[in-house]
Amino acid sequence: GAGVSQSPSNKVTEKGKDVELRCDPISGHTALYWYRQSLGQGLEFLIYFQGNSAPDKSGLPSDRFSAERTGGSVSTLTIQRTQQEDSAVYLCASSPGTSGNNEQFFGPGTRLTVL
Amino acid sequence: SQQGEEDPQALSIQEGENATMNCSYKTSINNLQWYRQNSGRGLVHLILIRSNEREKHSGRLRVTLDTSKKSSSLLITASRAADTASYFCATDTGGGNKLTFGTGTQLKVEL
Repeated sequence: GAGVSQSPSNKVTEKGKDVELRCDPISGHTALYWYRQSLGQGLEFLIYFQGNSAPDKSGLPSDRFSAERTGGSVSTLTIQRTQQEDSAVYLCASSPGTSGNNEQFFGPGTRLTVL
Repeated sequence: SQQGEEDPQALSIQEGENATMNCSYKTSINNLQWYRQNSGRGLVHLILIRSNEREKHSGRLRVTLDTSKKSSSLLITASRAADTASYFCATDTGGGNKLTFGTGTQLKVEL
């Protein structure tokens, strides 16, 4: 079956512009995660959705970052008034969401470059 | 500091040799997972070891877990050039299904 997909694969934008990144999780997966990875670094947790529960937004670095998940499926990460330090690869992952089964399936990522 | 930290940060070996990577963490866990990442894109799940397990095997992979030392190791036997990648450990500390990823080990396997 289809894996996690993300779009666009690459995004170049100018400082101050808003960007939207999209994630399509694996069908039936109730948990969805967003991470950020700067060049040569580890994964920085941003936000986590689990079913209909309130999302865990504890990793969002500033109020310029927001995310939503419509209908328990597709998710959009929005970065407003982008800054150069927002340049990174943004990774989305999904998992079945059942207790004890939290292996995460990753999308290919969106490489964001803010000029 | 990070929940999971791998060492070494970088490892270069010859094809056919074994590669060992270590992960240390700070708080108690439900499980620990290892992932592989090629070319800075999506990660691929390799293996999961639960807190009540001490060792697990999958093909050429062997993972150990020592909860008393809060550490895990990933051994890749008979390495191949295709094993060249970054390897990350991730810990489930019980905060829902959220994982905390370590800083990664960059493995290079040379012909």
